[in-house]
Amino acid sequence: GENVEQHPSTLSVQEGDSAVIKCTYSDSASNYFPWYKQELGKRPQLIIDIRSNVGEKKDQRIAVTLNKTAKHFSLHITETQPEDSAVYFCAASFYGNNRLAFGKGNQVVVIP
Amino acid sequence: GAVVSQHPSWVICKSGTSVKIECRSLDFQATTMFWYRQFPKQSLMLMATSNEGSKATYEQGVEKDKFLINHASLTLSTLTVTSAHPEDSSFYICSARDIDSNTEEQFFGPGTRLTVL
Repeated sequence: GENVEQHPSTLSVQEGDSAVIKCTYSDSASNYFPWYKQELGKRPQLIIDIRSNVGEKKDQRIAVTLNKTAKHFSLHITETQPEDSAVYFCAASFYGNNRLAFGKGNQVVVIP
Repeated sequence: GAVVSQHPSWVICKSGTSVKIECRSLDFQATTMFWYRQFPKQSLMLMATSNEGSKATYEQGVEKDKFLINHASLTLSTLTVTSAHPEDSSFYICSARDIDSNTEEQFFGPGTRLTVL
């Protein structure tokens, strides 16, 4: 099946700085890559996603880049704010269908 | 936006009993729903894909007879943890896709925290 690896596991940034989280995937047939934000004890919330026919997508302070050749994709958060503190999960569809394999998650801490 | 609910939000049961968790899409229809399990400080692990009107598809290592899934309508899927044991204690989360949407976004329920004593 699909194997998604996510780095780093923990990231601390000063408020206002940028945060970058990287993920790699193994299944070349994967064509959908969402990023979720999860606060403690709550449901994952989709913050941005990208399909394999697009190299980059941006939504205000959040952007995702995809390198299909290298099979990795990254989440970029600019001008970080304390409310950005959460666990972020990357995911990739596998076997070319709707099933998602999740990375291990990244704890982002924004220091005021 | 699309809303998915789960019931109950938390449950405590004795070892050996069965627990049923409901997942409902409130304002859209879903032919496919997904069940995940999440242990503390860990990632979401896909357990099975619930298909309306047909059998669920289980991921490798997930026992079909222990985790019974029923998807009887386009808005409801249920997960029954049979003969629950303490090691089944976890956060169970469902997700659903809108059949009328042209996106692949999955909408997640709020999760059900199961504690088996």
